[in-house]
Amino acid sequence: QVQLQESGPGLVKPSGTLSLTCTVTGDSISNSDWWSWVRQPPGKGLEWIGEIYQTGSTNYNPSLKSRVTMSLDKSKNQFSLNLNSVTAADTAVYYCAREKKGSDWDGARWFYYYYMDVWGKGTTVTVS
Amino acid sequence: SSELTQDPAVSVALGQTVRITCQGDPLRSHYATWYQQKPGQAPLLVIYATNTRPSGIPDRFSGSRSGNTASLTITGAQAEDEGDYYCKSRNSSANRLKVFGGGTKLTVL
Repeated sequence: QVQLQESGPGLVKPSGTLSLTCTVTGDSISNSDWWSWVRQPPGKGLEWIGEIYQTGSTNYNPSLKSRVTMSLDKSKNQFSLNLNSVTAADTAVYYCAREKKGSDWDGARWFYYYYMDVWGKGTTVTVS
Repeated sequence: SSELTQDPAVSVALGQTVRITCQGDPLRSHYATWYQQKPGQAPLLVIYATNTRPSGIPDRFSGSRSGNTASLTITGAQAEDEGDYYCKSRNSSANRLKVFGGGTKLTVL
């Protein structure tokens, strides 16, 4: 059974750096999946932060790109999120998730789809 | 605001059918994925690739797409279906990126 667990400080000072780690058990981050971060401010909806692939390739939300860095530690089967220059607007529950990729062939071209099938329980980070 | 638009709230009588919609240009080209979230819990995948259910998701959940609109239909809604529902797809201008809809709060009456 695949499980993901977020860890990191629950309180970060304004202008500081938010650092979270997601530990994966039951799967290898070296597999062909994307490893993602999603956040949810209090009382609001989900926001995609970004993702990292086994090669270290990353995709980030354009609204956060200048402040976000993601990395992998294959020896520990973990991936991490760093968000710098934080403000109160970064206060949220942060989730890590595994995103799988699938494909369909319609006879003429390939279509790709992605889905987050395993999520961590989330960790609350307050900027104050 | 998100590229994907959802109605903020929808209600349905117990046992009736409800459709939750997600509208946006990305859906013309990309698949929709749907997640259910209950208070204090992580999101749960309920539909992917527009209309595929993961193992363990009841068959009363189904998905469809027409033009720029994706729909999640619950046929015979149960009390335990109450919660927030989010659609997700790929960004229309940079399809490596992902985007969530604003979410729909479903109330089962």
